[in-house]
Amino acid sequence: GQQVMQIPQYQHVQEGEDFTTYCNSSTTLSNIQWYKQRPGGHPVFLIQLVKSGEVKKQKRLTFQFGEAKKNSSLHITATQTTDVGTYFCAGGSQGNLIFGKGTKLSVKP
Amino acid sequence: GAGVSQSPSNKVTEKGKDVELRCDPISGHTALYWYRQSLGQGLEFLIYFQGNSAPDKSGLPSDRFSAERTGGSVSTLTIQRTQQEDSAVYLCASSLYFGTSFDTQYFGPGTRLTVL
Repeated sequence: GQQVMQIPQYQHVQEGEDFTTYCNSSTTLSNIQWYKQRPGGHPVFLIQLVKSGEVKKQKRLTFQFGEAKKNSSLHITATQTTDVGTYFCAGGSQGNLIFGKGTKLSVKP
Repeated sequence: GAGVSQSPSNKVTEKGKDVELRCDPISGHTALYWYRQSLGQGLEFLIYFQGNSAPDKSGLPSDRFSAERTGGSVSTLTIQRTQQEDSAVYLCASSLYFGTSFDTQYFGPGTRLTVL
């Protein structure tokens, strides 16, 4: 079935370093959503991208949707300990939202 | 309530026993989803409801799992004859509409199930 692949599965960074997670689909997506799950918490919606090539920013977070609408990325500049958690992408396909397996980010102070 | 609520927050049971997990979605949300998250893993989709009906039950891991939704609101996920591999956090989410991927899914805090 339809899958959304997310890499890397884990990422360990030093505080202040940048971080990027990638989301890929073999088919064209209608939209991409990104969620963050803090340790011990539940996924919380961050943002949605709909247009080809769209770029959105939230403070130190930059979200991109590929031109072909098959991939997306989340980039965090100068990570902080508050960025710790698992970041999930979710791709829209035929009315359904398909979640990737997430990238778990740990930040060493 | 303001958000999705789930009960119980924690459930410890013995292998072979049945358990019921409850989800109260956000009022007015027509779509409801159940996911399973094993320790440190991603979200495994189980089942969704459009109103009271569940068009696709193929995500349920086995016939020991069943779910229902009544009155277009509360949903119950039942696991019969629990096994140790059922241990996980069970997350419920709701969204305003079904049939669109553009709606935000609002997740509940989850139920942590431990099968001894």
